[in-house]
Amino acid sequence: NAGVTQTPKFQVLKTGQSMTLQCAQDMNHNSMYWYRQDPGMGLRLIYYSASEGTTDKGEVPNGYNVSRLNKREFSLRLESAAPSQTSVYFCASSERGLDGGTDTQYFGPGTRLTVL
Amino acid sequence: AQSVTQLGSHVSVSEGALVLLRCNYSSSVPPYLFWYVQYPNQGLQLLLKYTTGATLVKGINGFEAEFKKSETSFHLTKPSAHMSDAAEYFCAVSDKGGATNKLIFGTGTLLAVQP
Repeated sequence: NAGVTQTPKFQVLKTGQSMTLQCAQDMNHNSMYWYRQDPGMGLRLIYYSASEGTTDKGEVPNGYNVSRLNKREFSLRLESAAPSQTSVYFCASSERGLDGGTDTQYFGPGTRLTVL
Repeated sequence: AQSVTQLGSHVSVSEGALVLLRCNYSSSVPPYLFWYVQYPNQGLQLLLKYTTGATLVKGINGFEAEFKKSETSFHLTKPSAHMSDAAEYFCAVSDKGGATNKLIFGTGTLLAVQP
């Protein structure tokens, strides 16, 4: 099992450019998440998907869109990149526990994005 | 609303010394609590979690944490630090129920281990 994979690993964009970050998981998980990590701020949830076909906003959704393409894949799109979106982006997935709440989230290796 | 506070953004210990990383949470419902570790240039990896039952939770690599409801704390400890423990540690809380358990992370504690 590869777990959670993310592409690309690194990306440099100019202000105003667009790009899509890709995420896939092979653990048959229902839930998937996108976080951004900034120094001194921990991880903040951008968007999440409870199941295939559903997406919801997290704490910091502005400037991003997502697509849950199928059960395996969850992509994050920056339509018009801004320097404030320079960050490390992590994708994660989890399976709901039988008691409704014992999820462990499994994380990908991250994408390091710089917007100039 | 739930929140997590990690006291000390940087902690330095000597190899062989006790590791203590502090985490306090705020939650209006009984929480699920997690500690994750992040090694340089890698994603996060689960160390341990508390859901229900025994309040002392043992995790990987010799770490453990104790859930103290009266103190709203979930501090992470390891009796003897190893050089390989140098990493960033994140405490997180989630609520039960709902379609997805969203995690609220603390701001992290960077652990340095001195030889």
